[in-house]
Amino acid sequence: TQLLEQSPQFLSIQEGENLTVYCNSSSVFSSLQWYRQEPGEGPVLLVTVVTGGEVKKLKRLTFQFGDARKDSSLHITAAQPGDTGLYLCAGGGGSNYKLTFGKGTLLTVNP
Amino acid sequence: DAGITQSPRHKVTETGTPVTLRCHQTENHRYMYWYRQDPGHGLRLIHYSYGVKDTDKGEVSDGYSVSRSKTEDFLLTLESATSSQTSVYFCAISGGTSGAREQFFGPGTRLTVL
Repeated sequence: TQLLEQSPQFLSIQEGENLTVYCNSSSVFSSLQWYRQEPGEGPVLLVTVVTGGEVKKLKRLTFQFGDARKDSSLHITAAQPGDTGLYLCAGGGGSNYKLTFGKGTLLTVNP
Repeated sequence: DAGITQSPRHKVTETGTPVTLRCHQTENHRYMYWYRQDPGHGLRLIHYSYGVKDTDKGEVSDGYSVSRSKTEDFLLTLESATSSQTSVYFCAISGGTSGAREQFFGPGTRLTVL
């Protein structure tokens, strides 16, 4: 069974601070996705990474896939209150059409 | 945004009653999924479908059944609801131009079993 561990579980910071959340596994994934979920809504896909060492940027968010494709990180620069939400990572295996989800990091950015 | 709707959005029911949740997509995606989300457990896969009338179990399928008679509709049935099935249920789809690995989620159904 593939497992994804996310850390930290909870993170509360002030507006303007930088932060990094992590997604780790002992298993290799063929792809990794990051989602953001706001209260009362479904998760929304932010990015997909597929190549070991790959880095993708989405405005103030930087996503990295580990060289061995077992881990990933999400770095947010100068966090804004609008970044508040639950961040989920999800890994795709050989079949690709099923994903393994981490339990999420709940981020609160205080104004 | 992917065209995915779920109905109902909220439901309160009593233990022992049957409940059916509906997921409808307008994207013609091949794969459809039902998840439940609970505090401390994250998203857990209940059942999924890889085509019309083709379904398979996920990690928490006990007490749930599914049906997919058309590409656009995926139904989740709780034959006899129990309090442990109180949860938020999400439908997801994949299989568009981005491939099967990227899933797109509906808005969720909040189910309370009393």
